[in-house]
Amino acid sequence: DVKVTQSSRYLVKRTGEKVFLECVQDMDHENMFWYRQDPGLGLRLIYFSYDVKMKEKGDIPEGYSVSREKKERFSLILESASTNQTSMYLCASSLADRQALQSGYTFGSGTRLTVV
Amino acid sequence: KQEVTQIPAALSVPEGENLVLNCSFTDSAIYNLQWFRQDPGKGLTSLLLIQSSQREQTSGRLNASLDKSSGRSTLYIAASQPGDSATYLCAVRQGEYGNKLVFGAGTILRVKS
Repeated sequence: DVKVTQSSRYLVKRTGEKVFLECVQDMDHENMFWYRQDPGLGLRLIYFSYDVKMKEKGDIPEGYSVSREKKERFSLILESASTNQTSMYLCASSLADRQALQSGYTFGSGTRLTVV
Repeated sequence: KQEVTQIPAALSVPEGENLVLNCSFTDSAIYNLQWFRQDPGKGLTSLLLIQSSQREQTSGRLNASLDKSSGRSTLYIAASQPGDSATYLCAVRQGEYGNKLVFGAGTILRVKS
């Protein structure tokens, strides 16, 4: 009954590597989101997408990019990984804004990324 | 700018107690409020969603209330169990473009057996 799937639970990457985090949802949701979660800082929005090939910057987009070629898949890309990008990354999805009243967010199980 | 505050930051109770977690928000122009549970090292699991026009929602031992005008929500957990130990987060979905969620910092709950 998994609805938002993140491809990796744990990743270890080297500084300077290009890193891809993948997220797939099977609920036909229009909106998809990438957050990072750090102790003491809570959840912070990196990027979101409200439609295929559309993307909007969140609160902390620097050092990241995203790709949404298909409705069900939203990828987060770290162009050149740095140690300060070590974090828990969470993907989420929701119905479109016009259905916001009754629609909650569904989160994936998270990817713990360590950059060494 | 919307701010969401959760009190207390941490709570430790003996098994079997009923407990209340509090969430307050500064801007009442919200679509809904959602309570999540997060276990250590895991993702967020949605517990309850309350639409802005609703007063409360119930699921099993959980009851969430919403008073939009005063900017408050409570999550009531009846007959707590050690398995309820987790971090509880509340989040409001508001009417900005993209309908982003704004999260509180969470309440860390420990239920002792």
